[in-house]
Parts: sequence; structure tokens; C-alpha cells
Amino acid sequence: ELKVEQNPLFLSMQEGKNYTIYCNYSTTSDRLYWYRQDPGKSLESLFVLLSNGAVKQEGRLMASLDTKARLSTLHITAAVHDLSATYFCAVEYGNKLVFGAGTILRVKS
Amino acid sequence: EPEVTQTPSHQVTQMGQEVILRCVPISNHLYFYWYRQILGQKVEFLVSFYNNEISEKSEIFDDQFSVERPDGSNFTLKIRSTKLEDSAMYFCASTPKGTVKQFFGPGTRLTVL
Repeated sequence: ELKVEQNPLFLSMQEGKNYTIYCNYSTTSDRLYWYRQDPGKSLESLFVLLSNGAVKQEGRLMASLDTKARLSTLHITAAVHDLSATYFCAVEYGNKLVFGAGTILRVKS
Repeated sequence: EPEVTQTPSHQVTQMGQEVILRCVPISNHLYFYWYRQILGQKVEFLVSFYNNEISEKSEIFDDQFSVERPDGSNFTLKIRSTKLEDSAMYFCASTPKGTVKQFFGPGTRLTVL
């Protein structure tokens, strides 16, 4: 059974700082997703990574995928308060997505 | 931009009652899913549905649960004899043919008292 682990689970960072969220998974998969969730809201798709070495960037967020290491990273550059949310990675496995536990990000001014 | 819609946004029910959660997937999508998220926890897969039948289901999706696509637009999740531990946010998602990205609805918060 596929296991997806995220770390850290909670991240408090200062505005303007950089940090990386890690997502490890236990079984081969070539497709990985990053979602953002605001409190009480649905899941907003951030990135879809479809192949080894894929790198995607949107604003202050950049995601990458290393399928050989079974590792994806979500890098935050010069954090701003608006990025405060919970971030989930999800790995495609058969007909479903298997989610990590989520990383609660709090950006302090 | 087309969106997945879900109704109701919040459902409160008594333990032992049956509830039906409704979803309208994006119109040209062919694959449909239900996920749930217990408060403060991760999102868990329940079931996937394609071509009018279940294509995969999780251990959570036992005989208490059923899904149906009663017409060309709605996709429903029925929970029979609800239990306290069924309290969660239930998300519907859909995917068109030829892509892998799942589009999530806003969710239905189910509270079982």
C-alpha cells in the first residue's frame, strides 16, 4: 500500500524567508500533485508533476519531482502572509490520489 | 470556468439516519470520485466511478456507503445508518478523459449528532 509522508507538518516562517516542504512516497508513481487548502475550503490545485525531473513554478512557489528518489519538493521563495494555508501533496496510485498529511504553513510578518 | 458543485454545503443529521450527498461534476468529465477529510486530518480516498460502475474503492467504503449516477449530471454518495465517526468534509472530484488532473468541489460538511 502506498504511503505518502510530508514534512514538516507545521511550518512557521517569517515573511521574506525561503523554505522547502518535502513529500516522500513509498511506491513507484510518475504523477504527483500539490494542493493548497484554506481553512474550511476545498482543495485548490497548484501543480501537476507528470514525469521525472519535472519542475513547475507559479509566483513564489516552485515544485519539483524526482521519481527515482520518490521525492517531491515545494519550495517557497520570499514568503508572504497570503501563502498561509495547508499544503498537501498527493500521489496518483491506480484510480485514486493518496494524500500526505499536509503541511500547515503560517507566515508571520 | 466550469466547476464541480456540491450540495448541501453543510448537513446535520442524527446518528442512524441516512444521508445523500450530491455532486454535479463538470459536464464533459468521465471519471468521478469521492474523498473525505475528517477535521484536521488528511484527505482520504473513498471511491472512484467510471462508465456507471465503481472502478476502485477503499477499505473505508464498506456496505454503509453507495454511489450512484442517477441521471446525466448528478453523482451521489449515500451513507446509510450514519455514525458519529462519519462526521467529516466530503469532497467530490471529477476528471475528463485524457488528463489526470482531478477537479475538486467545495465539499459538504457532514455533522452526525
